[in-house]
Amino acid sequence: LAKTTQPISMDSYEGQEVNITCSHNNIATNDYITWYQQFPSQGPRFIIQGYKTKVTNEVASLFIPADRKSSTLSLPRVSLSDTAVYYCLVGAVSGAGSYQLTFGKGTKLSVIP
Amino acid sequence: GAVVSQHPSRVICKSGTSVKIECRSLDFQATTMFWYRQFPKQSLMLMATSNEGSKATYEQGVEKDKFLINHASLTLSTLTVTSAHPEDSSFYICSARDILSPRSTEAFFGQGTRLTVV
Repeated sequence: LAKTTQPISMDSYEGQEVNITCSHNNIATNDYITWYQQFPSQGPRFIIQGYKTKVTNEVASLFIPADRKSSTLSLPRVSLSDTAVYYCLVGAVSGAGSYQLTFGKGTKLSVIP
Repeated sequence: GAVVSQHPSRVICKSGTSVKIECRSLDFQATTMFWYRQFPKQSLMLMATSNEGSKATYEQGVEKDKFLINHASLTLSTLTVTSAHPEDSSFYICSARDILSPRSTEAFFGQGTRLTVV
């Protein structure tokens, strides 16, 4: 399982765009990159997933360079409710159709009024 | 999206008693579910992988006789903390993947169970 490295914390003002970068130097060919959001005392919530280039959904964008050794989660115009811990994970489906997700320390994003 | 329901959301029990936590996939089938534990201000740590119809696989350092896992159907896995002690107090979270999405690593998580052993 590829190890991930993220900043421990970030601060941002409301309305700004936030970019959180994750390093995963030993990502494997069949690994996907997935980002989760976790609020206190809640289970993680899926944000976005990608394999290469750029993925965008209604809440975020994910940028993945050609070498896939890093990825950047972009949150447009954050609000106070975006204050949470954001986890970057890499993983793949094994031959048996099952997989494991290994959580790193995550990035604690604090949005300031 | 798919929903994973975990029950109870919080429980307080006396030291020495056992507590059962249920994890259900509400609108999809899950041959594999995962159980995590999270201590305050720390990340999620995988405890065990629950496999439908077979024995669970435990991570190193997790006592299988203390944390009993049963995955009797494609929609239900249970974690029983036996003879609970105050150091077992933690936030327990389950997750599952929709087996109809084999190329995706998207996992759905339950809302978690806050266990407090007094």
